Amino acid sequence: ILNVEQSPQSLHVQEGDSTNFTCSFPSSNFYALHWYRWETAKSPEALFVMTLNGDEKKKGRISATLNTKEGYSYLYIKGSQPEDSATYLCALVFGNQFYFGTGTSLTVIP
Amino acid sequence: EAQVTQNPRYLITVTGKKLTVTCSQNMNHEYMSWYRQDPGLGLRQIYYSMNVEVTDKGDVPEGYKVSRKEKRNFPLILESPSPNQTSLYFCASSFSFGTGGVEQYFGPGTRLTVT
Repeated sequence: ILNVEQSPQSLHVQEGDSTNFTCSFPSSNFYALHWYRWETAKSPEALFVMTLNGDEKKKGRISATLNTKEGYSYLYIKGSQPEDSATYLCALVFGNQFYFGTGTSLTVIP
Repeated sequence: EAQVTQNPRYLITVTGKKLTVTCSQNMNHEYMSWYRQDPGLGLRQIYYSMNVEVTDKGDVPEGYKVSRKEKRNFPLILESPSPNQTSLYFCASSFSFGTGGVEQYFGPGTRLTVT
């Protein structure tokens, strides 16, 4: 079992604030890194799939970076909105398996 | 509409009574997977399938069986459920796995309670 850690566990921010979370993984075990957004009572939805060291992906106000040599990925949300409230999951892909972190729960206060 | 479907969505059962949770996808995906979600533990992979007739264990396969006789279907079987299998279960699928660079699509989830 590979250990994937996410921090912080939870986060409350004001509407309009920018925020970021971290996903850490063993740098020696890497095929790909996925980010998912999981809203309450729904199922996880893919945000980004990152495969190369130095990858940077962006979708609207959300972006992510990847450092495979040091074993971390950052997810950034610029100008948080209440609809960004969700749990953000990262998953390390190694071999044919997925190893998920426990997520960062984001609450954006209007 | 492209989707992953699971049935049932909710199930309460008793210890030892065999059950099957169905999973079906209409996207012609090769890779399919089952996960369980427990508080504080994150999603854990139970079994996965690279293609028809090819299945393999994930991190927590004990007490579960799967089969992949058709590309679109990947049922999860609990031969003798126990209370520690009470959990939220997700099925997911993606195109050919390669080196994991393809996003997964998740089903709506099945909440199982074993008493």
